[in-house]
Amino acid sequence: NAGVMQNPRHLVRRRGQEARLRCSPMKGHSHVYWYRQLPEEGLKFMVYLQKENIIDESGMPKERFSAEFPKEGPSILRIQQVVRGDSAAYFCASSPRTTMNTEAFFGQGTRLTVV
Amino acid sequence: GESVGLHLPTLSVQEGDNSIINCAYSNSASDYFIWYKQESGKGPQFIIDIRSNMDKRQGQRVTVLLNKTVKHLSLQIAATQPGDSAVYFCAENNQAGTALIFGKGTTLSVSS
Repeated sequence: NAGVMQNPRHLVRRRGQEARLRCSPMKGHSHVYWYRQLPEEGLKFMVYLQKENIIDESGMPKERFSAEFPKEGPSILRIQQVVRGDSAAYFCASSPRTTMNTEAFFGQGTRLTVV
Repeated sequence: GESVGLHLPTLSVQEGDNSIINCAYSNSASDYFIWYKQESGKGPQFIIDIRSNMDKRQGQRVTVLLNKTVKHLSLQIAATQPGDSAVYFCAENNQAGTALIFGKGTTLSVSS
């Protein structure tokens, strides 16, 4: 049973380019969460999605960031016109239902470096 | 606002000692808490969870204690091993129940 799969593991982008981060949840999980982690800090919630729906995007920056979880295929976190401050580790988690009372399983993350 | 914090950023112990990692939370309405372990370059790994209707829960070598009166959570690791060296995060569900709120983490270093 494969865990949460994220790719790429490492991504380097120049300022102004677009970054696309992919997340395939665990089999049978229909809830996906994206978190961002800056060096030496904890994880910060960004967005919670179910298939074809954004449930909670209260942690997403208002501009340049978007997320989707289509009916088919992985969840995508998209960052347009990246800036150096976007450099961080981005983690995806999935769960079979909301995290109110069940654990979420995390992927290994995508480390984005903006040069 | 919602926040979860930890008392100590680092903890150093000898192999075989028992470790206690503490966490304070601010949302008295939270009803679910988790401890995660994160090794360098990896994603958070689930250790143990506890619901607010419980005070204590035990796993293999780990115990989580919840004191709702003072909004305090702790993780106890028995017979700490070098492989336990990592950053430990506590997390609670947010008021909407749609996300986990993480603290900053405690770095546990185990020396042989």
